Amino acid sequence: DAGVIQSPRHEVTEMGQEVTLRCKPISGHDYLFWYRQTMMRGLELLIYFNNNVPIDDSGMPEDRFSAKMPNASFSTLKIQPSEPRDSAVYFCASSWVGGRISTYNEQFFGPGTRLTVL
Amino acid sequence: TQLLEQSPQFLSIQEGENLTVYCNSSSVFSSLQWYRQEPGEGPVLLVTVVTGGEVKKLKRLTFQFGDARKDSSLHITAAQPGDTGLYLCAGTYNFNKFYFGSGTKLNVKP
Repeated sequence: DAGVIQSPRHEVTEMGQEVTLRCKPISGHDYLFWYRQTMMRGLELLIYFNNNVPIDDSGMPEDRFSAKMPNASFSTLKIQPSEPRDSAVYFCASSWVGGRISTYNEQFFGPGTRLTVL
Repeated sequence: TQLLEQSPQFLSIQEGENLTVYCNSSSVFSSLQWYRQEPGEGPVLLVTVVTGGEVKKLKRLTFQFGDARKDSSLHITAAQPGDTGLYLCAGTYNFNKFYFGSGTKLNVKP
């Protein structure tokens, strides 16, 4: 399996522009997570989906951020308009829980998208 | 304010030395995970601990979950340069939403 795939790997944009980050989870996984990592705040959970349905978006910073999962093999995180403080590495992760008692929810992370907003 | 505080933040040691990294919280977690992250990559899961007092070993790495399930430690014996990386702990209440610690950056010099 190719693992979690994220694109682009690097994105440089100017303040005010729309940014779309993409993620392809591991086939068969039923959970998808979006995280943001910065030096100041560490790794923060933004939103997670179960079977394509958003379950918890309390970590989404503000209305400028939105995430969708139109099907089991694709998710997007959109920032519109982008601001310099959005500069960070954004990670997508997926896991499979199924009907198990989920004591061992192993998340598989993608390589991340490094976003720079000038 | 981080829900999980890790210490130390940075650690630079010589190959062959032992070290311990701590992950502390005032909250009780259902389970706690440890990850290792290398530059330019995403975190990779090392272990999950679920039961208070649980000890798990992974070759030279020993993980312990506190009796009250509020804290955890990672001990590395005879560290090697390949152990270099960012070590992250992550706690969860519901096994789905994880809160990550601030991380410990380890550098093992040959």
